[in-house]
Amino acid sequence: QVQLVESGGGVVQPGRSLRLSCVASGFTFNSFGMHWVRQAPGKGLEWVALISYDGSDRYYADSVKGRFTISRDNSKNTLYLQMNSLRDEDTAVYYCAKDQGWNYGVDVWGQGTTVTVSS
Amino acid sequence: QLVRTQSPSASASLGASVRLTCTLSSGHSNYAIAWHQQQPEKGPRYLMKVNSDGSHNKGDGIPDRFSGSSSGAERYLTISTLQSEDEADYYCQTWGTGIVVFGGGTKLTVL
Repeated sequence: QVQLVESGGGVVQPGRSLRLSCVASGFTFNSFGMHWVRQAPGKGLEWVALISYDGSDRYYADSVKGRFTISRDNSKNTLYLQMNSLRDEDTAVYYCAKDQGWNYGVDVWGQGTTVTVSS
Repeated sequence: QLVRTQSPSASASLGASVRLTCTLSSGHSNYAIAWHQQQPEKGPRYLMKVNSDGSHNKGDGIPDRFSGSSSGAERYLTISTLQSEDEADYYCQTWGTGIVVFGGGTKLTVL
């Protein structure tokens, strides 16, 4: 059974950092691209970042470029999102998602982890 | 932006059919999309990928009531025999080199 389990969310002050993790199981993790997607309260889905199967290619939404870093450890079947210089507008539920290959669309979602940026 | 429009809302009666539309922007009419469903207070769920030729491949466990099709720059999600649990937000997603875009979502109300 394919499963993605996020962790690491919490309440953090503006300007601080947070690292999210996503542990994958039930599929060959090192064969697929992986995404982070977020959803602010009452809003729609917003793509955040994408990483290739081997970590060699990474893409970011303009809203997080230069502040967030996506990475992966294929030996641990784990995806990460390092979030620095957090802003109020980064408050959202963050979802880890599996790609169908390399940027062919999401086909599996995690349950999400909540990040609240507040002083 | 790759996605030009996604109607903000739609409604249909229990047992009826409804077709949701995702319109791709000019120059991207040959792009594939994916449809995702988000029921109230839940995370998103992948429904299917729809190609420009109308072919589609559904996710595991997605009922036959859900189908996809295409016409030009429009990608459709048709839900037949509507049930109460189909009341949800539906998002289209498309992608290009170095970019991934979600539509604004369509809120489907089952009357």
